[in-house]
Amino acid sequence: DTAVSQTPKYLVTQMGNDKSIKCEQNLGHDTMYWYKQDSKKFLKIMFSYNNKELIINETVPNRFSPKSPDKAHLNLHINSLELGDSAVYFCASSGAGLDPYNEQFFGPGTRLTVL
Amino acid sequence: AQSVTQLGSHVSVSEGALVLLRCNYSSSVPPYLFWYVQYPNQGLQLLLKYTTGATLVKGINGFEAEFKKSETSFHLTKPSAHMSDAAEYFCAVTGSGGYNKLIFGAGTRLAVHP
Repeated sequence: DTAVSQTPKYLVTQMGNDKSIKCEQNLGHDTMYWYKQDSKKFLKIMFSYNNKELIINETVPNRFSPKSPDKAHLNLHINSLELGDSAVYFCASSGAGLDPYNEQFFGPGTRLTVL
Repeated sequence: AQSVTQLGSHVSVSEGALVLLRCNYSSSVPPYLFWYVQYPNQGLQLLLKYTTGATLVKGINGFEAEFKKSETSFHLTKPSAHMSDAAEYFCAVTGSGGYNKLIFGAGTRLAVHP
């Protein structure tokens, strides 16, 4: 059973389009995250939700809107896609509480290409 | 603010040789430090972590790392490299303000040749 899953794995789209990436975890975790990995492999946190509440928002353009319908899901919707949005997006989750030593479990990533 | 510097974006070793991947951190509070590995086209997997206590931390796949506060370092080592160790390795530190915000280094690509 996949612990953290993301769909789709690959996403190719035109500039200006709106797209969504879905993430689901079956680990019973309270906290979920979105990270962006650019073409140079640099990883940066975008958002974090704890019990469906937004707790981290890292100066991400407001074209990006995360939504957490329940603790097991954290989706990422992107409006008006730009070339610079091309990256690999990783979802992650971690266990109960906000303690920083809780291991984060990562999904396989979604490679977004904006043409 | 916290930050991580990984020295060497690419490291190449022979199979059976020592692996040493360097990580230095900056933190105004006691840090929690992590090493993650990313195999091609996959997500990240935790290798090991340091929170408190023993400064020599053992992880999966024979890797270990030592927290040295005086040197602000958390270098990753493995005595004998295997071909299967070829991957991207990321050092990370928890961000300020709690909430488990990982701050990653730029990564080091490890190549293992026969």
